[in-house]
Amino acid sequence: SQKIEQNSEALNIQEGKTATLTCNYTNYSPAYLQWYRQDPGRGPVFLLLIRENEKEKRKERLKVTFDTTLKQSLFHITASQPADSATYLCALVNQAGTALIFGKGTTLSVSS
Amino acid sequence: DTEVTQTPKHLVMGMTNKKSLKCEQHMGHRAMYWYKQKAKKPPELMFVYSYEKLSINESVPSRFSPECPNSSLLNLHLHALQPEDSALYLCASRNTLSTRSNNEQFFGPGTRLTVL
Repeated sequence: SQKIEQNSEALNIQEGKTATLTCNYTNYSPAYLQWYRQDPGRGPVFLLLIRENEKEKRKERLKVTFDTTLKQSLFHITASQPADSATYLCALVNQAGTALIFGKGTTLSVSS
Repeated sequence: DTEVTQTPKHLVMGMTNKKSLKCEQHMGHRAMYWYKQKAKKPPELMFVYSYEKLSINESVPSRFSPECPNSSLLNLHLHALQPEDSALYLCASRNTLSTRSNNEQFFGPGTRLTVL
């Protein structure tokens, strides 16, 4: 079955630095991968999607890469701010294309 | 209107109660989802409705009963729940029509359910 892992439960960085979060998957090749942000007690909010034929996607201070050989996606937040503190979830579409499978998430804390 | 709304925000119920969670969206999305999320865990898919028909049931116990009365509404009926069912219940919707969409799911704020 499809398996998705986010290697860090928590990441603490200083304001202004770049945060890099990792998402690894096994057992199949998804057509696309998404990243969501979740604040405590709230629903996840979509950030970015990257398709299997794309190497990199950017949106403002966010950058996502997708390496289908390594079966890995990296999520970068440049010039991080305390307001970026949240849990970031990686999500893959399942093989049937009908549902998302979420990773456990990485909780990012940005200190000023 | 790009919002998914859920009511109630909080719900406390006993194991013998019957209650319902409600989800609404007016974005014209024809795929709707129920997820369960425990603390410090990812959202776990429960049900998927596609064009008002149940398309996925992730082996959810029958004490959870979904219903999609129309394309804007999704309900989750609860009966004889257990304390371990206490969690955040999230509803989401997705645009099935636009080929240019990011396939993103739009999530509601969730209902925090406590079963005593």
